[in-house]
Amino acid sequence: DTEVTQTPKHLVMGMTNKKSLKCEQHMGHRAMYWYKQKAKKPPELMFVYSYEKLSINESVPSRFSPECPNSSLLNLHLHALQPEDSALYLCASSPHTSGGFLGQFFGPGTRLTVL
Amino acid sequence: AQTVTQSQPEMSVQEAETVTLSCTYDTSESDYYLFWYKQPPSRQMILVIRQEAYKQQNATENRFSVNFQKAAKSFSLKISDSQLGDAAMYFCAYSMGGTSYGKLTFGQGTILTVHP
Repeated sequence: DTEVTQTPKHLVMGMTNKKSLKCEQHMGHRAMYWYKQKAKKPPELMFVYSYEKLSINESVPSRFSPECPNSSLLNLHLHALQPEDSALYLCASSPHTSGGFLGQFFGPGTRLTVL
Repeated sequence: AQTVTQSQPEMSVQEAETVTLSCTYDTSESDYYLFWYKQPPSRQMILVIRQEAYKQQNATENRFSVNFQKAAKSFSLKISDSQLGDAAMYFCAYSMGGTSYGKLTFGQGTILTVHP
């Protein structure tokens, strides 16, 4: 299995809803990432998990709550979002090797719309 | 802080021709990596090519090659024999070495159109 999967593909939610995005990889990668991407813009890093521990939080509002239950799974819990949070949410993973950083491998994303 | 600049918001190329996308970066680090990512309209970001700063030799992957000029802090991507499937947004990205994960700094992207 050489891919990162994300569910759901599309999500529409109201500002009072609670929802979760899921990301999974079975490549044995020990770093996982959440990004937010607006149309025709580069991805913006939100969170980095390394060996299941939160390593980077890029000052993301608390209405976004990440969770890494195990080395293969990454969740992003959403609560009380704003319409400006509508975006493509990308998950990525990367291996930790003695050969250096090989790059991040991205999932297909979840298209989130907040009404 | 590291920065990555892609000065061409849009580029176009005829099918079967060659196109070069530009990227410059700024860093004071000696250990780092550079990448080109492709994001087609279907949106999945794909890693195209990787370059280690320590390696003088330019990376190549089939029709994709880079021109890595370390002193000039330039990292351009050449696509040879362009195909319709090469149409996408291309992002240049930088990552500092020395950690167990890599934090990517992206450029603003270049939209590549391929004309039949």
